[in-house]
Amino acid sequence: DVKVTQSSRYLVKRTGEKVFLECVQDMDHENMFWYRQDPGLGLRLIYFSYDVKMKEKGDIPEGYSVSREKKERFSLILESASTNQTSMYLCASTEAARRDEQFFGPGTRLTVL
Amino acid sequence: GIQVEQSPPDLILQEGANSTLRCNFSDSVNNLQWFHQNPWGQLINLFYIPSGTKQNGRLSATTVATERYSLLYISSSQTTDSGVYFCAVERSFGNEKLTFGTGTRLTIIP
Repeated sequence: DVKVTQSSRYLVKRTGEKVFLECVQDMDHENMFWYRQDPGLGLRLIYFSYDVKMKEKGDIPEGYSVSREKKERFSLILESASTNQTSMYLCASTEAARRDEQFFGPGTRLTVL
Repeated sequence: GIQVEQSPPDLILQEGANSTLRCNFSDSVNNLQWFHQNPWGQLINLFYIPSGTKQNGRLSATTVATERYSLLYISSSQTTDSGVYFCAVERSFGNEKLTFGTGTRLTIIP
């Protein structure tokens, strides 16, 4: 079974802190994605990556950056956390050129105080 | 960008009832998926269905690509069916980038 894991289920940070959210997948998938989920808005794509050291902006990249130094790991970075970044963050992965299934991690609920 | 609308936003049903969830999209797509998010937040893929009909147990889905909608049917609902159902589409080939609808929250009452 494909497994996508995220470093924390719950995280509480202060405004201005630098925050790292880690995602690891164990199926050698080329594509990895970071989404945020907010009530009434569904899932919105922040960044995605097709390969190591490769990244592309999604629909809402402002205030975020990403890092992909190894194929299995995709990190989301909040350089200076703000209260409007309080949200559920979901990581997903999929095999290149396969369209039939994105595998999601369990999510990290981030609260910025 | 492509718009994805789901209806109804909320649905409360008695256990054993049947339900139909709808997803409308604003442009032609080459990928459409249905997901279930359980009350603990885990998203699970239910169907990959850019066109046609598929069935998996009590769940089935139909996509009419020419009319830009998809339907998810749940029969004989169980409490474990509760959660949020998302439809997601991919507009063009090449990047597997999905656009999600805002979801239908389904609550099954025992």
